[in-house]
Amino acid sequence: ETGVTQSPTHLIKTRGQQVTLRCSSQSGHNTVSWYQQALGQGPQFIFQYYREEENGRGNFPPRFSGLQFPNYSSELNVNALELNDSALYLCASSSGTGGAIEKLFFGSGTQLSVL
Amino acid sequence: SQELEQSPQSLIVQEGKNLTINCTSSKTLYGLYWYKQKYGEGLIFLMMLQKGGEEKSHEKITAKLDEKKQQSSLHITASQPSHAGIYLCGADMQGSNYKLTFGKGTLLTVNP
Repeated sequence: ETGVTQSPTHLIKTRGQQVTLRCSSQSGHNTVSWYQQALGQGPQFIFQYYREEENGRGNFPPRFSGLQFPNYSSELNVNALELNDSALYLCASSSGTGGAIEKLFFGSGTQLSVL
Repeated sequence: SQELEQSPQSLIVQEGKNLTINCTSSKTLYGLYWYKQKYGEGLIFLMMLQKGGEEKSHEKITAKLDEKKQQSSLHITASQPSHAGIYLCGADMQGSNYKLTFGKGTLLTVNP
């Protein structure tokens, strides 16, 4: 049990729709990262938030956006869903300084299916 | 090609046997992380290695970092069915820019 909770656990959407995924960080952690894991692949970095600001982004289009709130919880928003957005979305929290990578604690993920 | 290559892709062993999983980077490693994942679930942290030559053990799992070879290995001694799952290596590598780069994972099956 990492103390990182994600909701919902499963979600089914249709192409073109928008989705919001939520993550509650482990107590005391101020950094949140989001990863996308397609079937049979390793997790791919989407972006990272430190103290409510995005401070790192992977190779994902602008329709992937996020927020971090004052209590360090976070949201991942995906607009104009495409079929290949179907994946397990993982949230990870850490107690970093926004720079060097710290040990990441992962949630159980949200399984998104786009039909 | 992948920045972080894991081998083998899958492994089936008999309970009680030893096994090794390898993780090789195409870039300089600053830190190497091993995680375990049950299918469709989150990642469970196993070990973090940050110095060349570093070796860490927890219960029957040992991980080593060979900085010169840009490689890490995960060794399980006397495997048990509870060791079954997907093992992922994640690296803080040259040019990481705040992200962990992961390998594709190694699927381990342990037969009783």
